[in-house]
Amino acid sequence: AQSVAQPEDQVNVAEGNPLTVKCTYSVSGNPYLFWYVQYPNRGLQFLLKYITGDNLVKGSYGFEAEFNKSQTSFHLKKPSALVSDSALYFCAVRALYGNNRLAFGKGNQVVVIP
Amino acid sequence: DTAVSQTPKYLVTQMGNDKSIKCEQNLGHDTMYWYKQDSKKFLKIMFSYNNKELIINETVPNRFSPKSPDKAHLNLHINSLELGDSAVYFCASSLGTSGSVTGELFFGEGSRLTVL
Repeated sequence: AQSVAQPEDQVNVAEGNPLTVKCTYSVSGNPYLFWYVQYPNRGLQFLLKYITGDNLVKGSYGFEAEFNKSQTSFHLKKPSALVSDSALYFCAVRALYGNNRLAFGKGNQVVVIP
Repeated sequence: DTAVSQTPKYLVTQMGNDKSIKCEQNLGHDTMYWYKQDSKKFLKIMFSYNNKELIINETVPNRFSPKSPDKAHLNLHINSLELGDSAVYFCASSLGTSGSVTGELFFGEGSRLTVL
């Protein structure tokens, strides 16, 4: 079964500095990889996904993520963090074939310090 | 226009009561889900329906019963509520279930259930 590890509980970063949220995955075969963001008292919002093609994918709000097959990683990055990026970030993976069962990581709280 | 809407947003009730949460999506998706988010923010899938057919049924007490009258609606009924049922319940939808579509999920805003 597919699974996701988000090793850090909280990521603190100063406003304007680069932001990285780590994610590693385990899945049989090729993966579909996703990042979602959850603001307080809100539902999850889709940020970006990797399906195939270029390993660097760009998403909403200036975020990007790099797929690394050899390291089974899909880290989320933003060159310059904003205070408004403070939220809970979830990485998710599903297998290329099969039912649409997404495996979510435990989430990372990102705190951007002004 | 709200893509995935669920009601009520907040629900406070006593142990032993029965309650329902409703969900509707206007995205034209054919697959809908219920997720439970606990106090530690862990997300756990409960059920998934594709075109009104149950396709995912995780280990959930049978006090929880989903119902999909059509592919745009997925309701969740909970009988004999227990303290441990307190959580935020999210409805979501996606297009397709097979590998031929990318299937990112679109979530509702959540229904916070508090059982006293």
